[in-house]
Amino acid sequence: DVKVTQSSRYLVKRTGEKVFLECVQDMDHENMFWYRQDPGLGLRLIYFSYDVKMKEKGDIPEGYSVSREKKERFSLILESASTNQTSMYLCASSYNQPQHFGDGTRLSIL
Amino acid sequence: EDKVVQSPLSLVVHEGDTVTLNCSYEVTNFRSLLWYKQEKKAPTFLFMLTSSGIEKKSGRLSSILDKKELSSILNITATQTGDSAIYLCAVDSNYQLIWGAGTKLIIKP
Repeated sequence: DVKVTQSSRYLVKRTGEKVFLECVQDMDHENMFWYRQDPGLGLRLIYFSYDVKMKEKGDIPEGYSVSREKKERFSLILESASTNQTSMYLCASSYNQPQHFGDGTRLSIL
Repeated sequence: EDKVVQSPLSLVVHEGDTVTLNCSYEVTNFRSLLWYKQEKKAPTFLFMLTSSGIEKKSGRLSSILDKKELSSILNITATQTGDSAIYLCAVDSNYQLIWGAGTKLIIKP
């Protein structure tokens, strides 16, 4: 079974802080994705990566960056957290389709 | 612009009822359509459909794709309270998933 592990289930941070969300997968998948999920808006793609050290912008990359130094790990960074980044963040990995998801991090920015 | 639309947005039924959830799409390069179920945590994969008219089935859940109508349905028969969840539809277009907003299904005992 594919296992995608996100480092925190719940996180509370303050406006202006630099926030790191970590994601690790154990299936040697090349593709990894970061989404945010907000009520009524579905999943929106922030960034994705098809290989180590490679990253591509998704639909809403502003205010975020990512890092993929190792194949199994994909990190999402909020450079200077703002209240409109309060959301559920989901990481996924895949070989092709389907994508397999972690349990999500519910992030609150105060 | 690629888009995926799910309907209804929410649905409340009684245990034992049958429900049909809809997903329609407009995308530039269709490769497949996927259904996921999301309870409190991660979306879990249900079905992937690539060919029109071929039903995929798993227990009380089934799904079919209509490429002519650019749509898919997800059927759940003899619903149970454990079926309460958000059901997400996504379409693979150019190797990226385009997501619908989801249908929130509530099953009343």
